[in-house]
Amino acid sequence: AQSVTQLGSHVSVSEGALVLLRCNYSSSVPPYLFWYVQYPNQGLQLLLKYTSAATLVKGINGFEAEFKKSETSFHLTKPSAHMSDAAEYFCAVRNRDDKIIFGKGTRLHILP
Amino acid sequence: NAGVMQNPRHLVRRRGQEARLRCSPMKGHSHVYWYRQLPEEGLKFMVYLQKENIIDESGMPKERFSAEFPKEGPSILRIQQVVRGDSAAYFCASSPSKETQYFGPGTRLLVL
Repeated sequence: AQSVTQLGSHVSVSEGALVLLRCNYSSSVPPYLFWYVQYPNQGLQLLLKYTSAATLVKGINGFEAEFKKSETSFHLTKPSAHMSDAAEYFCAVRNRDDKIIFGKGTRLHILP
Repeated sequence: NAGVMQNPRHLVRRRGQEARLRCSPMKGHSHVYWYRQLPEEGLKFMVYLQKENIIDESGMPKERFSAEFPKEGPSILRIQQVVRGDSAAYFCASSPSKETQYFGPGTRLLVL
């Protein structure tokens, strides 16, 4: 069965610093992988998705993620954090039954 | 093109009452998914519907919960005889196919 593990329920970075949010997945088939962002009291917004094309996926707001099959990872990065990036980030995998399985989320804090 | 709409955004119910949550998918989307998010948790799949059909309800509690997506009108998630443990954010997502899901802003249910 597919599953998603996000390392670190809270991550703090300084404004302007590199953002790295970790996600590892387990899947018996080539996965469809997603990163979603949730701002306070709002729904989830799709940041980017991997669908077996390019392994480096660029998303909105300057985020990107790299699919590494050998490491079963799909970490999310952004070169320079902005205060507006403070939110909760969810990694997700779509399983055989087309259900999306979410990780528990990582709350990103930006320090001034 | 309006996004996925959910109403109400906030709902307060006393134990034993009924809660009705509505979801209007994006125009042209015939696939609707409901998820529940408990505090400090990721989203958990509840049910997947297409017009007039429940495709997968494996994530729905066996009792008190039901969902429908009629030919006309929004999808409804209904919770009968609510209990405190039902307090959560309920998100609806829609999709034109089985591809990317687009999420609504959620309904936050509080059971007193």
